[in-house]
Amino acid sequence: AAGVIQSPRHLIKEKRETATLKCYPIPRHDTVYWYQQGPGQDPQFLISFYEKMQSDKGSIPDRFSAQQFSDYHSELNMSSLELGDSALYFCASSSQTSGLNTDTQYFGPGTRLTVL
Amino acid sequence: DAKTTQPTSMDCAEGRAANLPCNHSTISGNEYVYWYRQIHSQGPQYIIHGLKNNETNEMASLIITEDRKSSTLILPHATLRDTAVYYCIVRVGANTGFQKLVFGTGTRLLVSP
Repeated sequence: AAGVIQSPRHLIKEKRETATLKCYPIPRHDTVYWYQQGPGQDPQFLISFYEKMQSDKGSIPDRFSAQQFSDYHSELNMSSLELGDSALYFCASSSQTSGLNTDTQYFGPGTRLTVL
Repeated sequence: DAKTTQPTSMDCAEGRAANLPCNHSTISGNEYVYWYRQIHSQGPQYIIHGLKNNETNEMASLIITEDRKSSTLILPHATLRDTAVYYCIVRVGANTGFQKLVFGTGTRLLVSP
């Protein structure tokens, strides 16, 4: 079965640079979630989108922005990168409209961002 | 979302059943219990979820107490590949939309030969 695809899998940036992370949800999934997991920490929710509209927002820095496109893929844009942004970034997708009990979130493999 | 309490770590012998407990005493009537696991730095993997009835799938069984204040995830025949951090998460259920997952500290399960 097709899974969530994230790219790139690894990214190394310098401080103050920008980064763009991409997420391709499972086919026919309409909702995308972004999570950040710092070293030794548990995943923390950043932001989510449903049908290209922001649906919820967590503790996402103002330096970060995200959007969902018409094909349902999503991009997380990170500017003025700081050392503390080094983390794993996971994308998850779910379906709100497939009926039954099926809005379970399925996660991608993550992007490991290292800021030097 | 209700908070959950899980043991920090557990050990299990390969081939034996692993029983992972979770307390969620403040769970509301419309909140489901979800279980995910994370194998070292991989994306969290969905295991199972339930509302009040016991559930079973190809990966595990979920036993929820009658008062819904606690639950147990059962891996019937643990293998070395089941070594992971297991997260018990309570959230408003399906078809309500946009429900972020709030991860606690989870249980680190170590399966040994």
